[in-house]
Amino acid sequence: GAVVSQHPSRVICKSGTSVKIECRSLDFQATTMFWYRQFPKQSLMLMATSNEGSKATYEQGVEKDKFLINHASLTLSTLTVTSAHPEDSSFYICSARQGPDTQYFGPGTRLTVL
Amino acid sequence: QKEVEQNSGPLSVPEGAIASLNCTYSDRGSQSFFWYRQYSGKSPELIMFIYSNGDKEDGRFTAQLNKASQYVSLLIRDSQPSDSATYLCAVATSGGSYIPTFGRGTSLIVHP
Repeated sequence: GAVVSQHPSRVICKSGTSVKIECRSLDFQATTMFWYRQFPKQSLMLMATSNEGSKATYEQGVEKDKFLINHASLTLSTLTVTSAHPEDSSFYICSARQGPDTQYFGPGTRLTVL
Repeated sequence: QKEVEQNSGPLSVPEGAIASLNCTYSDRGSQSFFWYRQYSGKSPELIMFIYSNGDKEDGRFTAQLNKASQYVSLLIRDSQPSDSATYLCAVATSGGSYIPTFGRGTSLIVHP
C-alpha cells in the first residue's frame, strides 16, 4: 500500500504555543488529504479536508482559525494548532487519498499541551 | 446524515477461530467500502476494500458486501492474538466526494 508519513510523532508543548504537524505522501501524489483527531477510546473525528492549492474545508464545530491547514504541494499538508491549550491534547492523524476513494493514514502525532 | 454502525464489542474469539465483524450503513447510494485495523495507540491501517456485491478474499481476510441489505462484513479466518485490535468500517460515495464515513469500530480480542 501507499506510504504516508507524519512528523513529529509526539510533541509536548506549553499552553499558548503553536504546534505544526506535517503530513507527507511518500510514494504518490495526493490532491486531497484529511486531518482527523482521536481522543482515547473514541472514534476518529474528521476535522477538515485539505485540497492542494485551495482552502481547506472544515467540519462543523472545528475552528479554522485555531487549526490552520495548508496544502502547499501534492505531497505535503500541514496542520498548525495555534495557541494550544490542554483540551487540544489528542492524537492527530492525517490521511492521503490515492485514486478516487482510498485513504492511507499517517502514523499519527500525539500532542500533549501542558 | 450518513451513518455507519458497528457493534463496539469487544468480540472475543479463541485463537484459530473465525472472527466475524459486521457493519451496516444508511446511505443506499454508497459505492466504496473499506475495512481498517487500528491497534491501540496507533493509526488505522487499510486491510481491504470492496466495491461489488459478494465476497472478496485476501489471505485470511474475507470482505462480504450485500448492498441490498446495506451491510458489509469482515471475516478473519484462523484468528491470531496479533489480530486483536479495533476494526473500523468506512463507507464512501461519489455524491459525498468520496469522503468516507467511519464507524466507531469493533474491538476484537483473540485469546490463546
